[in-house]
Amino acid sequence: GENVEQHPSTLSVQEGDSAVIKCTYSDSASNYFPWYKQELGKGPQLIIDIRSNVGEKKDQRIAVTLNKTAKHFSLHITETQPEDSAVYFCAASIQGAQKLVFGQGTRLTINP
Amino acid sequence: SQTIHQWPATLVQPVGSPLSLECTVEGTSNPNLYWYRQAAGRGLQLLFYSVGIGQISSEVPQNLSASRPQDRQFILSSKKLLLSDSGFYLCAWNMLSGNTIYFGEGSWLTVV
Repeated sequence: GENVEQHPSTLSVQEGDSAVIKCTYSDSASNYFPWYKQELGKGPQLIIDIRSNVGEKKDQRIAVTLNKTAKHFSLHITETQPEDSAVYFCAASIQGAQKLVFGQGTRLTINP
Repeated sequence: SQTIHQWPATLVQPVGSPLSLECTVEGTSNPNLYWYRQAAGRGLQLLFYSVGIGQISSEVPQNLSASRPQDRQFILSSKKLLLSDSGFYLCAWNMLSGNTIYFGEGSWLTVV
């Protein structure tokens, strides 16, 4: 089955700098890759996703890149702000499959 | 628009007592429904998922069970709680034809 590895487990950056979180997946059939943000004591919220027919997607300060050959995808947050502090999860699945496989999460801390 | 509700938000239960966590989804029909558990500082572990009324798939052997008595209702239960059942429980849903999973706000369970 699918296995998703996420790195780093913790990340601390200065406010205004960029943050990058990376994930690798094992099943070459996976074609859907969402990213979730989880604030303390709340459920994860989808922030961006990408499908395998594109290599990059942007939404304001957030971008996701996908390298199908290497089977890895990354989340990029630019101009980080204190409210970006949270735990971020990547995930992978096959289109139409019921289940998402999640990475272990990255705790991002933005230092003022 | 679709919304997901789960309750109770927090629960403190003694070892050996029963458990019932309830989740309902509004604004959609025939959703896939999921129960995840998140131990403190850890990733998301899929416990159960359901593609229809009365249809439950278990991902890991454990002290918990799930039921789906109605199309948009998903219940997580235990007859006798263990200390190891403590954690943050998340209900989630998605459409049968889609991938994006939407999470509820979670239920904190502490077994004492």
